[in-house]
Amino acid sequence: DADVTQTPRNRITKTGKRIMLECSQTKGHDRMYWYRQDPGLGLRLIYYSFDVKDINKGEISDGYSVSRQAQAKFSLSLESAIPNQTALYFCATSVSGTTTNEQFFGPGTRLTVL
Amino acid sequence: QKEVEQNSGPLSVPEGAIASLNCTYSDRVSQSFFWYRQYSGKSPELIMSIYSNGDKEDGRFTAQLNKASQYVSLLIRDSQPSDSATYLCVRAAGNKLTFGGGTRVLVKP
Repeated sequence: DADVTQTPRNRITKTGKRIMLECSQTKGHDRMYWYRQDPGLGLRLIYYSFDVKDINKGEISDGYSVSRQAQAKFSLSLESAIPNQTALYFCATSVSGTTTNEQFFGPGTRLTVL
Repeated sequence: QKEVEQNSGPLSVPEGAIASLNCTYSDRVSQSFFWYRQYSGKSPELIMSIYSNGDKEDGRFTAQLNKASQYVSLLIRDSQPSDSATYLCVRAAGNKLTFGGGTRVLVKP
């Protein structure tokens, strides 16, 4: 089945460490997104990419960077992790040229920064 | 004011009853709205989309949109314990999605 996968699913790290979260998709979608979710705050957009050469900041990009290695892969990096980056991180995909703008989410990565 | 606001709940509903969820938004140019369901620890999944004023029904779910009053609602008829989840109201403007904080629904047998 066409799918969105994320690795790792859980990660505990220490303050100051560099962390990379990876997202892969087999849906053939051109658009990919990274969100974080904190209790009561819904999902907030970190970065998004409409194709391999297009990277855009979302509403909370500070402290994060991304890389779109291929149409199917979109990685999120925390160069120097801090405790308030503890959250549930979701990758999502969508396809351009539709009116629905539906996004399909991966299973999430639970990140804890000590 | 948040761009998309929801009551966080929990909204407690007896099995078989109607669950009514409300959402208000601040941007008059918003075009489309979605309701996503999220089970605890899982990823959001789309259950309804609505683009124009009025009602849209899909099975036990009805979405209602009133652009003049800037609110969108979701009704769940014949609520089942499996409907217990957090429901996220989502506004789409262009390519950007803005999520509400979600309403937690508990359906009690």
